[in-house]
Amino acid sequence: EDQVTQSPEALRLQEGESSSLNCSYTVSGLRGLFWYRQDPGKGPEFLFTLYSAGEEKEKERLKATLTKKESFLHITAPKPEDSATYLCAVQSSNYQLIWGAGTKLIIKP
Amino acid sequence: DGGITQSPKYLFRKEGQNVTLSCEQNLNHDAMYWYRQDPGQGLRLIYYSQIVNDFQKGDIAEGYSVSREKKESFPLTVTSAQKNPTAFYLCASSAGFQGIPFFGPGTRLTVL
Repeated sequence: EDQVTQSPEALRLQEGESSSLNCSYTVSGLRGLFWYRQDPGKGPEFLFTLYSAGEEKEKERLKATLTKKESFLHITAPKPEDSATYLCAVQSSNYQLIWGAGTKLIIKP
Repeated sequence: DGGITQSPKYLFRKEGQNVTLSCEQNLNHDAMYWYRQDPGQGLRLIYYSQIVNDFQKGDIAEGYSVSREKKESFPLTVTSAQKNPTAFYLCASSAGFQGIPFFGPGTRLTVL
């Protein structure tokens, strides 16, 4: 069965304290992996797409990486405005998206 | 500006009522989707449409209905048959079914 698991469920960091969020998956034929940011009460905002193992993408303080079993979203020197829920989704061979439950990130000043 | 709009932002439903959520996009996207979001769970697909006048059931279609009469519009009706409709509803669109979905701002539905 196709499955996406995100960990941890919640992560509290001090401003400037770097860390990583994990998205592990089992899927039949990976087409792509997507990362989104979601602020409370709003729709998800697209961040990155990764298509093959070894690929990396960066945007400001965020860097996404992909292996054959998981993806990491690295956050370097985060600021309070990086606080949000980060969602991961995997696109399977039939183009269906399977979503993880998200990681709630809280950055304290 | 191109984007996806959803209305209303908040919606309250009484028992036995049908309600319709609006979704409009001006991105010229062929594919449109409706998702439901509940706390602690991943997004769940209700319905999707790859082209005008065609749509398919997703994983949790029972108690919901949709139409796709125009490329820009994909309204969702939550019927009285949906027993637990309180949730955050998200509309999305993509250039094709294999494309990256972009989301609207969402509608929060509450049953009174």
